[in-house]
Amino acid sequence: DIQMTQSPSSLSASVGDRVTITCRASQSISTWVAWYQQKPGKAPKLLISKASSLEGGVPSRFSGSGSGTQFTLTISSLQPDDFATYYCQQYNTYSATFARGTRVEVK
Amino acid sequence: QVQLQQWGAGLLKPSESLSLTCAVYGGSFSGYYWNWIRQSPGKGLEWIGVINHDGNTNYNPSLERRVAISLDASKNQFSLRLDSMTAADTAIYYCSRGNGYDWGFYFDHWSQGSMVTVSS
Repeated sequence: DIQMTQSPSSLSASVGDRVTITCRASQSISTWVAWYQQKPGKAPKLLISKASSLEGGVPSRFSGSGSGTQFTLTISSLQPDDFATYYCQQYNTYSATFARGTRVEVK
Repeated sequence: QVQLQQWGAGLLKPSESLSLTCAVYGGSFSGYYWNWIRQSPGKGLEWIGVINHDGNTNYNPSLERRVAISLDASKNQFSLRLDSMTAADTAIYYCSRGNGYDWGFYFDHWSQGSMVTVSS
């Protein structure tokens, strides 16, 4: 299995802050990475696919980058609706794997 | 507007089998990959398995001895069966649409999820 390691596991930030979350794959996966946002009691919501392709309806303050083994999700200016947990997922193989997530909390 | 709605038993005893069904409303059933995913505090998000519109399946190697996913294309429904349940299988179970390729996909639509508890 390809392991996905995400950091940090949690962070505290204020509205307006720039937030960066990193995901590392245990082997090269090209750009086959997706990012999700999950709020308590809800299913994950797809934000980004293929490392940097923003899903329709997702605000442009979200962006993704990276290839190979290192990937980044950036929120350029954190908004109140963005406090949530974020996960990366690799789909280089059919046996998809997720990282353990980053919880973004109010500072 | 694609929507996935699931149902099934939420409380099981050890050694019993889990049975969940997911109905897909809106959009095309073919051309996508229909998945079951679970989430628990201990293991996080864990992909269980997938079926495509032709009925071809792939399973997580860690679960494949106990899992079966089937399809009723005439009803746009697919189902999960997980045998020999233990407390370690306690989790929120989601059905989800996979978008991508035969060898890998991301999940662009999810059900609301249902809590499954295994307890004697």
